[in-house]
Amino acid sequence: DAGITQSPRYKITETGRQVTLMCHQTWSHSYMFWYRQDLGHGLRLIYYSAAADITDKGEVPDGYVVSRSKTENFPLTLESATRSQTSVYFCASGDWDTQYFGPGTRLTVL
Amino acid sequence: SQQGEEDPQALSIQEGENATMNCSYKTSINNLQWYRQNSGRGLVHLILIRSNEREKHSGRLRVTLDTSKKSSSLLITASRAADTASYFCATVNGGGADGLTFGKGTHLIIQP
Repeated sequence: DAGITQSPRYKITETGRQVTLMCHQTWSHSYMFWYRQDLGHGLRLIYYSAAADITDKGEVPDGYVVSRSKTENFPLTLESATRSQTSVYFCASGDWDTQYFGPGTRLTVL
Repeated sequence: SQQGEEDPQALSIQEGENATMNCSYKTSINNLQWYRQNSGRGLVHLILIRSNEREKHSGRLRVTLDTSKKSSSLLITASRAADTASYFCATVNGGGADGLTFGKGTHLIIQP
């Protein structure tokens, strides 16, 4: 099916572990985005990508790494998870005027 | 950095009534967008209004933009139970890392 998918949908990990959240879109949108959503903060942009092999930082990039070797995939890696990274993570594709969001990944760091 | 600020934070109305949410922002914008988020789901793009537009309609949605007051409103007419969701405004001021910033949202509850 066409659309944008995220995996896993739920993840529990421990402090210090590496975690990778996956995002896949079937629309061939050039832009892809990663946000985190926290109570009291709304959505905040972590990283975005304008095309394959082009990524750039958003508002809260520290502690995260992204890559984009293929247009359709945009994985987000937490290199050494911290409790403050407990959040709901949303991937989106589209452009700055219209973004299509995935269903989210709820990540808990113990 | 937060650009849009929705008001009220929460709103509860009866089915069939109209719901109005407001968004204020701080700096000049290229456009302003409204998104809906149902519980446990991703955001859904509802409507975009450009800085040179004053009003826009889409079905039961009406959006206004007042750039002099740096504010926008979203009106949902004849509300339905399915409209229960959180609504976010997002402003775009040029693209890039500062290009799209979301407010904290208005949680709308439609009572049957």
